[in-house]
Amino acid sequence: DSGVTQTPKHLITATGQRVTLRCSPRSGDLSVYWYQQSLDQGLQFLIQYYNGEERAKGNILERFSAQQFPDLHSELNLSSLELGDSALYFCASSVAGEVGGYTFGSGTRLTVV
Amino acid sequence: GQQLNQSPQSMFIQEGEDVSMNCTSSSIFNTWLWYKQDPGEGPVLLIALYKAGELTSNGRLTAQFGITRKDSFLNISASIPSDVGIYFCAGRSTGTYKYIFGTGTRLKVLA
Repeated sequence: DSGVTQTPKHLITATGQRVTLRCSPRSGDLSVYWYQQSLDQGLQFLIQYYNGEERAKGNILERFSAQQFPDLHSELNLSSLELGDSALYFCASSVAGEVGGYTFGSGTRLTVV
Repeated sequence: GQQLNQSPQSMFIQEGEDVSMNCTSSSIFNTWLWYKQDPGEGPVLLIALYKAGELTSNGRLTAQFGITRKDSFLNISASIPSDVGIYFCAGRSTGTYKYIFGTGTRLKVLA
């Protein structure tokens, strides 16, 4: 157990629908990062939050949004889902400063049918 | 988005063989990390490197921070079947907040 909790582990939904992925960071970590990993691909950075504020944005689609709440958990909202959005979505967390790298959760596997 | 180049993309090796992989960047980094991702799981940090020329081991794994600060290397000695997975490098530049991840090296070990 890495200490980063992601729910749900699996999600199957239809095209056009909206889903919310949840992440609880490791205790004491202020930064949360979201990554998308399509089949056999690398990790695509989506967005980073630090202590409730958006800090960095990657290749996140306009249909996707995220937020970090006062208790530091984060949610990634994916709307108007398309088949191509099927992927593993990872959340990672780190302490301020990012020294020592990120701790990843076990991911949410999203399948859009 | 920006990614680091890892080589090779994938490799099949026999159990007991040594493995080498590398990661290159067009930018200078002050930190290099190596992660391993088991199938269906999140990446797990293996080794962190903070100084040019640094050589760090974790069991059968050894990683090096290249002296140009634009590359890093990971070696696995005497591979075993559980070494199967995707190995990612990640680097961070001075003054930036986030790590850039490599494209991954997919390792398959033949028993």
